[in-house]
Amino acid sequence: DGGITQSPKYLFRKEGQNVTLSCEQNLNHDAMYWYRQDPGQGLRLIYYSQIVNDFQKGDIAEGYSVSREKKESFPLTVTSAQKNPTAFYLCASSIRTGSGANVLTFGAGSRLTVL
Amino acid sequence: EDKVVQSPLSLVVHEGDTVTLNCSYEVTNFRSLLWYKQEKKAPTFLFMLTSSGIEKKSGRLSSILDKKELFSILNITATQTGDSAIYLCAVTFSGGSNYKLTFGKGTLLTVNP
Repeated sequence: DGGITQSPKYLFRKEGQNVTLSCEQNLNHDAMYWYRQDPGQGLRLIYYSQIVNDFQKGDIAEGYSVSREKKESFPLTVTSAQKNPTAFYLCASSIRTGSGANVLTFGAGSRLTVL
Repeated sequence: EDKVVQSPLSLVVHEGDTVTLNCSYEVTNFRSLLWYKQEKKAPTFLFMLTSSGIEKKSGRLSSILDKKELFSILNITATQTGDSAIYLCAVTFSGGSNYKLTFGKGTLLTVNP
């Protein structure tokens, strides 16, 4: 079945450590996204990529980095510069259209806890 | 600043009740409005609305968009405990050469038996 796989589901890290969250899709979607979800905050866009080897900052990119070397993969690194990294992270993908009417498909998420 | 506002932020009802969830937006270059349901982890797609006045319907759920007044509603009739979830509204708008998707904070719906 086609879909988006995020790993790990749960992750604990100590302050000062970088951590990388994996996101893989087999939907042949061009665009991929990373969102952060905090209680009462909804989903906030961290980074997005509309094509391989290209990505743009979202609304809260500080302290995060991404790469898009393959169409299927869009890993997110949470660096030690991110001041409040404990959150639920959602990866999504969509077909890139010219109309802007894109339906996102989401992964099951990764919950990061910084101890 | 572009924004999407959902109301109420939380709602508790009894099985069988009808609920209306609201989503208003202030964005330039609007393209589409989407509704998602998030039960535990991955949000799942419900509706995409691009035209005013055309109701989208799926079973007990329906939604409509008013582009003049800049809002959408999501109706759920004869609610069931399985409808308990966070309902997310998102708006796509064009920003320069890219399209951006902004989410509201969501409405937490609890349906009690």
